[in-house]
Amino acid sequence: AQSVAQPEDQVNVAEGNPLTVKCTYSVSGNPYLFWYVQYPNRGLQFLLKYITGDNLVKGSYGFEAEFNKSQTSFHLKKPSALVSDSALYFCAVRVPRGDDKIIFGKGTRLHILP
Amino acid sequence: DGGITQSPKYLFRKEGQNVTLSCEQNLNHDAMYWYRQDPGQGLRLIYYSQIVNDFQKGDIAEGYSVSREKKESFPLTVTSAQKNPTAFYLCASSIRYTEAFFGQGTRLTVV
Repeated sequence: AQSVAQPEDQVNVAEGNPLTVKCTYSVSGNPYLFWYVQYPNRGLQFLLKYITGDNLVKGSYGFEAEFNKSQTSFHLKKPSALVSDSALYFCAVRVPRGDDKIIFGKGTRLHILP
Repeated sequence: DGGITQSPKYLFRKEGQNVTLSCEQNLNHDAMYWYRQDPGQGLRLIYYSQIVNDFQKGDIAEGYSVSREKKESFPLTVTSAQKNPTAFYLCASSIRYTEAFFGQGTRLTVV
């Protein structure tokens, strides 16, 4: 069965420092991977995706993510955190065949400390 | 503007009552999804539909029902069989194999 794990419930980072939010996945076949951000009482906003090609993908608001097939990981990164980056972040996986469900991790709450 | 609209934003349900959450999209997407969000549990898939007049159960379909009579619309009914319906419900749509677009959510509370 497809699954996504976000091992950290919460990540605290000082403003201006680099941040990493971790994601690992388990699927059969080649995955399509996504990161989303959610602000309080709102829907999810798409940040970036990996479909194929370069393992380092760049997305909105200065975020990037690195796909690592051997470690089945897709960690979200940003070189310099902003207080406004504080939110709930979700990793998601989709397998391009069959029922094409989108499976989400449990989310990681990111706190950027001023 | 293209997008996905959920209504109402807040909904209150009495014990034993069925309620229907609306989800409409004008993005011309084939696939639509319903998720339930509870604190600390992430997003759990309730139902999804890849084409009109067809839908599949997700991981937590018990106590819920859906219909997909039009491409634009995918309403979710929370039935009285759902014993713990208080949650934040999110609807999404997508083109096959790419990112999903989400509505702003409906917060359902049992009173």
